[in-house]
Amino acid sequence: GAVVSQHPSWVICKSGTSVKIECRSLDFQATTMFWYRQFPKQSLMLMATSNEGSKATYEQGVEKDKFLINHASLTLSTLTVTSAHPEDSSFYICSATSGTSGNDEQYFGPGTRLTVT
Amino acid sequence: LAKTTQPISMDSYEGQEVNITCSHNNIATNDYITWYQQFPSQGPRFIIQGYKTKVTNEVASLFIPADRKSSTLSLPRVSLSDTAVYYCLVEAGGGNKLTFGTGTQLKVEL
Repeated sequence: GAVVSQHPSWVICKSGTSVKIECRSLDFQATTMFWYRQFPKQSLMLMATSNEGSKATYEQGVEKDKFLINHASLTLSTLTVTSAHPEDSSFYICSATSGTSGNDEQYFGPGTRLTVT
Repeated sequence: LAKTTQPISMDSYEGQEVNITCSHNNIATNDYITWYQQFPSQGPRFIIQGYKTKVTNEVASLFIPADRKSSTLSLPRVSLSDTAVYYCLVEAGGGNKLTFGTGTQLKVEL
């Protein structure tokens, strides 16, 4: 099946710094990528949807200037958490699909654990 | 916006059939229902997807009533390795908003 990777798998950063998370589709072209955030014992919350070459669409309540998403190629999307704070500590998961509809099967990455100290 | 809700947890024993329901009152007309399995600190893994009636694959069945406001994931003969959190995913409320259900922690014991 289709494989999606994330890097890093975990990261610890100091408050006020920025951290970049990469999401790659390894064996298919991802026209659409999704970024989710998951707090402990909670469900996945969609943060934004990005289509290759276009600006990301952010969900209500997600600050686009804080969570910068770049989907510059059909195999790579990045999420940069700027000026991170302890409340940004969470499990960030990306998914990718070769379609453009939410009904197309999403292939999920393994997630990135972010801890802000 | 109504949430997509699931029971918080379920307990079962090896070899039993487990049925997990998801309530999605605001499902969009053209939206499919997808179920995922998630182990701790891992990304979700696809289980099954359907639009209406019944879908079956090698690991599960999915039952969807005519009104499509709910769905039931059926896992036949569960084993210890099926202990995980199960999520339904729908496009609910319009505006292409993907919404994961609240998740059901399934615990399988010997």
